[in-house]
Amino acid sequence: EVQLVESGGDLVKAGGSLRLSCAASGFTFSNAWMSWVRQAPGKGLEWVGRIKSKTDGETIEYAAPVKGRFTISRDDSKNTLYLQMNSLKTEDTAVYYCLGATSGAFDMWGQGTKVTVSS
Amino acid sequence: QTVVTQEPSLTVSPGGTVTLTCASSTGAVTSDFYPNWFQQKPGQAPRTLIYSTSNKHSWTPARFSGSLLGGKAALTLSGVQPEDEADYYCLLYYGGWVFGGGTKLTVL
Repeated sequence: EVQLVESGGDLVKAGGSLRLSCAASGFTFSNAWMSWVRQAPGKGLEWVGRIKSKTDGETIEYAAPVKGRFTISRDDSKNTLYLQMNSLKTEDTAVYYCLGATSGAFDMWGQGTKVTVSS
Repeated sequence: QTVVTQEPSLTVSPGGTVTLTCASSTGAVTSDFYPNWFQQKPGQAPRTLIYSTSNKHSWTPARFSGSLLGGKAALTLSGVQPEDEADYYCLLYYGGWVFGGGTKLTVL
């Protein structure tokens, strides 16, 4: 069964840091392009960033609001995607989802992990 | 700043047909934007319905179809079912990805 399981969400003060993880199973993680997407309370979806597979250069792209503060990485030996979040702001409060793409198509979503940034 | 615009809300009767659209502030949406469509029900994670304009996943019901229509990406639901009531989001590629604001579809 294909599965993505996020973890690491927590309550943190503004200016703090947090690392989210997304554990993958049931598919060849190393071939997948992986993204992070977030959803603030009562709001729509917002793309955070993406990392390509190693064979495709492991290129990383970020959305403007998080560029320079967030870092996406992956460990293919552990089938895990990471999101390191630094200099957190209250507007980063959201449920964070990992999203996998295989064969050029977004196809699998995790259930999300909640991040709350307090002032 | 690129903005992707969707209808905030639409209402459709059971068995009816409805088209949701996705417009780009940069101009016409083409297949080069690789339009994706996602469905999200309350309290659930989103799921992907359509990728690269019109391609369906194995789990996508046949009543959902994607296309380009009048310079926009479009998602058409034909023979709407009560369980189709949900939020729908489009996603376009500009070198990075940008979501639309979402459409709340009510089946009434």
